[in-house]
Amino acid sequence: GQQVMQIPQYQHVQEGEDFTTYCNSSTTLSNIQWYKQRPGGHPVFLIQLVKSGEVKKQKRLTFQFGEAKKNSSLHITATQTTDVGTYFCAGPGNQFYFGTGTSLTVIP
Amino acid sequence: NAGVTQTPKFQVLKTGQSMTLQCAQDMNHEYMSWYRQDPGMGLRLIHYSVGAGITDQGEVPNGYNVSRSTTEDFPLRLLSAAPSQTSVYFCASSWGNGSPHFGPGTRLTVT
Repeated sequence: GQQVMQIPQYQHVQEGEDFTTYCNSSTTLSNIQWYKQRPGGHPVFLIQLVKSGEVKKQKRLTFQFGEAKKNSSLHITATQTTDVGTYFCAGPGNQFYFGTGTSLTVIP
Repeated sequence: NAGVTQTPKFQVLKTGQSMTLQCAQDMNHEYMSWYRQDPGMGLRLIHYSVGAGITDQGEVPNGYNVSRSTTEDFPLRLLSAAPSQTSVYFCASSWGNGSPHFGPGTRLTVT
């Protein structure tokens, strides 16, 4: 079945440092979505990437979709304490197949 | 709109007990789904529905039943709770195969 792997599982950064999480699929994806889950909360949709090589930005967040549409990344520039949470990628299937997530801790 | 609502927020069960987790949405979404979230495992799909009267299994369906008699409601039934079902359960809904809207979750502990 479809698998979406995400690395790293955990990341601790000093406030102001950059952060990147990577998502890899065993199959080509028609699209990929990214979600953020705050501690104790529920996943919230951030963005969807559809095109090969697509790059989208949301303020300090940069999302990329690989040329082969099998991998993706989320990069946060100059992290802030409000960035704390777990970031998930998800690929479409019968519903959505979520990656294992990267838990980001930002140390003030 | 209330969006996706789930009840209860917290539940403790003894092994062998049964219960139903409730999920409702008021957005007239066709698709509804149940996920469980365990540490280091991400979100895993339990069951899903593409419309009233239609349900199908996800990745981890064993020990759970669902039904979809209305567009709005999609309850998840645990037939005989086991400690391995201790988890956080999220219900989600969406238009077609669009991005799902998640409920606040139910935190279930089975002792």
